Amino acid sequence: GQNIDQPTEMTATEGAIVQINCTYQTSGFNGLFWYQQHAGEAPTFLSYNVLDGLEEKGRFSSFLSRSKGYSYLLLKELQMKDSASYLCAVMDSNYQLIWGAGTKLIIKP
Amino acid sequence: IAGITQAPTSQILAAGRRMTLRCTQDMRHNAMYWYRQDLGLGLRLIHYSNTAGTTGKGEVPDGYSVSRANTDDFPLTLASAVPSQTSVYFCASSGTGGADTQYFGPGTRLTVL
Repeated sequence: GQNIDQPTEMTATEGAIVQINCTYQTSGFNGLFWYQQHAGEAPTFLSYNVLDGLEEKGRFSSFLSRSKGYSYLLLKELQMKDSASYLCAVMDSNYQLIWGAGTKLIIKP
Repeated sequence: IAGITQAPTSQILAAGRRMTLRCTQDMRHNAMYWYRQDLGLGLRLIHYSNTAGTTGKGEVPDGYSVSRANTDDFPLTLASAVPSQTSVYFCASSGTGGADTQYFGPGTRLTVL
């Protein structure tokens, strides 16, 4: 079957760095997406990786290793507004997104 | 309208009733999707449409139907609601049905009693 694993919850301190990991097993691979979702709101797009390596976008970076079925989202200089759930999703061979359950990130002052 | 809108925002429904959730986008995207989100689970695809006039089944289609009469609208119908359909429903769209970024509407919170 298809499976996306990510930690349920993480806690970090304002101003620090946090890495959220995602491992996947899917039938085919057409890219990996990270979304941010604040409580009670819709998911919003953060990043897309289809080739191995690091993609940097401001305070957020995303890494992919296709051979290991592994990705991480790196958040730097954490701010209180970064408190949210972070969703990892893989696009399978049918171009359908398979979603992880999300990682709830709690930022403490 | 900018982006994707959904209606209603929330609804409480008696079991056995028929309900249509509405979704409209103004981005001229070809592909549209319906997901449900339940606590502790990832988003699950209910139905999708890669272009007007076509629809397909996702991971959890039972009890739901969709239509795509034009590019902008993609309503989701629950013919006879059951309590297990209590969930938050998100509509999304993307430029194509391929590896394009999906953009989400604000969601509909549905409670079936």
